Amino acid sequence: EVQLLESGGGLVQPGGSLRLSCAASGFTFSSYAMTWVRQAPGKGLEWVSSITDSGDTTYYADSVKGRFTISRDNSKSTLYLQMNNLRAEDTAIYYCTKDLGVTYDAVDIWGQGTMVTVSS
Amino acid sequence: DIQMTQSPSTLSASVGDRVTITCRASQSISRWLAWYQQKPGKAPKLLIYKASNLESGVPSRFSGSGSGTEFTLTISSLQPDDFATYYCQQYDSYPFTFGPGTKMDIK
Repeated sequence: EVQLLESGGGLVQPGGSLRLSCAASGFTFSSYAMTWVRQAPGKGLEWVSSITDSGDTTYYADSVKGRFTISRDNSKSTLYLQMNNLRAEDTAIYYCTKDLGVTYDAVDIWGQGTMVTVSS
Repeated sequence: DIQMTQSPSTLSASVGDRVTITCRASQSISRWLAWYQQKPGKAPKLLIYKASNLESGVPSRFSGSGSGTEFTLTISSLQPDDFATYYCQQYDSYPFTFGPGTKMDIK
């Protein structure tokens, strides 16, 4: 069974940092691009960041560029999102997702999400 | 960045109705459009990719069409399980963007 399991969410103060992890199983992780999507409470979906299958190219939403870093460890089938200088507007459920292909694609598998709350 | 809009924002319908949701892009995205369904408290689910390709396991009552800047998602006969929020997403160019969503509820 294809599965994505996020961890690392929680409550953090403004200006703080968190690292999200996403453990993948049930598919060849190294063959697919991966993406983080977030959803603020009661709001719509927001694409955050994507990384190609090899990890050599990354993409970011303007709202997180310079503060967030996406990375992957294909040997561990794990995706990461390092989030620094967090702001109240980063409060959201963060979903780890698998792309249909190696890059530039829709996402076909979603994790259950991990909640990040930025508040003092 | 490419902006996505959806209409209507809310839709009241009955079981058995044929419904259509429209998604528009601020510039041409060819056919690089996906549709997702999200139910309360759950992760979204991919329904349609590349404008009209039905994802595996998705009922055939769902269909997508369009190209360029205008796209539609049609549900041919609404079932109780279909009452949810629907989002379109362009993946023609980064940053990928989602539409604001269409919430479908029971009339």
